[in-house]
Parts: sequence; structure tokens; C-alpha cells
Amino acid sequence: KAGVTQTPRYLIKTRGQQVTLSCSPISGHRSVSWYQQTPGQGLQFLFEYFSETQRNKGNFPGRFSGRQFSNSRSEMNVSTLELGDSALYLCASSASGGAGHTQYFGPGTRLTVL
Amino acid sequence: DAKTTQPNSMESNEEEPVHLPCNHSTISGTDYIHWYRQLPSQGPEYVIHGLTSNVNNRMASLAIAEDRKSSTLILHRATLRDAAVYYCILRDSVDSSYKLIFGSGTRLLVRP
Repeated sequence: KAGVTQTPRYLIKTRGQQVTLSCSPISGHRSVSWYQQTPGQGLQFLFEYFSETQRNKGNFPGRFSGRQFSNSRSEMNVSTLELGDSALYLCASSASGGAGHTQYFGPGTRLTVL
Repeated sequence: DAKTTQPNSMESNEEEPVHLPCNHSTISGTDYIHWYRQLPSQGPEYVIHGLTSNVNNRMASLAIAEDRKSSTLILHRATLRDAAVYYCILRDSVDSSYKLIFGSGTRLLVRP
């Protein structure tokens, strides 16, 4: 079974631009979560989607948004990019949810904002 | 979300056992204990999880204290590939959504 895939793997943008990152979950997985990882803040939860609905959201500004499609693929969008948005963005999928289930992470998209 | 406390770093020799501790004194009765690790330049990967009883899988063992206020991840024979940051995370079984709260984790160094 193929793992979680994320595209693109690397991205360079300038301040003020917007960016869209894509995530394809493991086949059959309906839950997709997004995380931001920076050296200063570590790994932080952005949001989770399940069956095309946002089920949980972290403490990030409204510039960060996401969506999930009927095939469970997910995209996240960051508008009006700031230097501080430079980070590794990780996507993770899970079969459903619940504390007994595990998440499978993709390799991440490295975003650099200049 | 309940908080966990882990040492910042630990060292081990290759082929020796490693015991990674985690304190979670405010754990609730519905919290599962999950362990993930992140190898250099990779996304986190699941290691093991448990609720009350000790658990074993091909990667590791999880020993949970009787009062559940602490747990220990055990790598039976450390290899160089086990060098990673290990995260101990609590997941509330009442919450059906999937949201992992990562702390700073323990950076494990394995000496050849």
C-alpha cells in the first residue's frame, strides 16, 4: 500500500504571495491532518479533515486554510505569506479517528518564504 | 490536552537496550499514550500506543505505570537507525478527531 504523498516537496515563495500544498492520504484513509514544523515552535497542529469536513482546528490565523475532496485528498492554502511561515508542512492520514488509531505521516513540503 | 514531560536528550550504545521515560501526571482515564518518532529529514512515524496494559510490537515495548502517571518506551536493542526524536503524546479516546499535541520530545543519540 502506498504511503502518504505530498507535493511539491520543496517550494520557494516571496512575502505576500499565496501557496497551495497537496496531500494524498493512504488509500482508504478518510482523516487527513496538517502540521507545521519549525525549529522554534516544533510540531504544531493546523487542522484535521474527515469526510470533507473540518473536524478540528489549531491556533493559527485565518490565512491558513484547507479543504478535503471526496477522494480524501487534501489541500492546504496559505495566503499573504510571511517570513515566519517558512517551515516544513506535514500531512498525516488515519483510517478514521479515535485515540486507538494511528496516524501515518508524509515526508512533508519544505516551504521557504523570502 | 494533557501535558507530557520528557528528557531533552538521551544517549545509548548500539545493541544495548534503551529506556525512554515520559511523565504524564495529569493523564485522564480516557487518554491513550502514543509514541511517535521522527528520524532526521523525515515525517514522524508511529511507534506504539497503549491505554493501561504494557504493549509489545516489532519496534518496541511500552511499559505503563500502574497509576498511569508515567510510561517508558523500551527499545530492546538500539541500532544506529533508532537515532531520532521520540515523542510521547496523550490522545483522548473521547475525542474522535485526530489532533496530536507534540511536545519537544527526547532526542536519542546512538553511539556505534
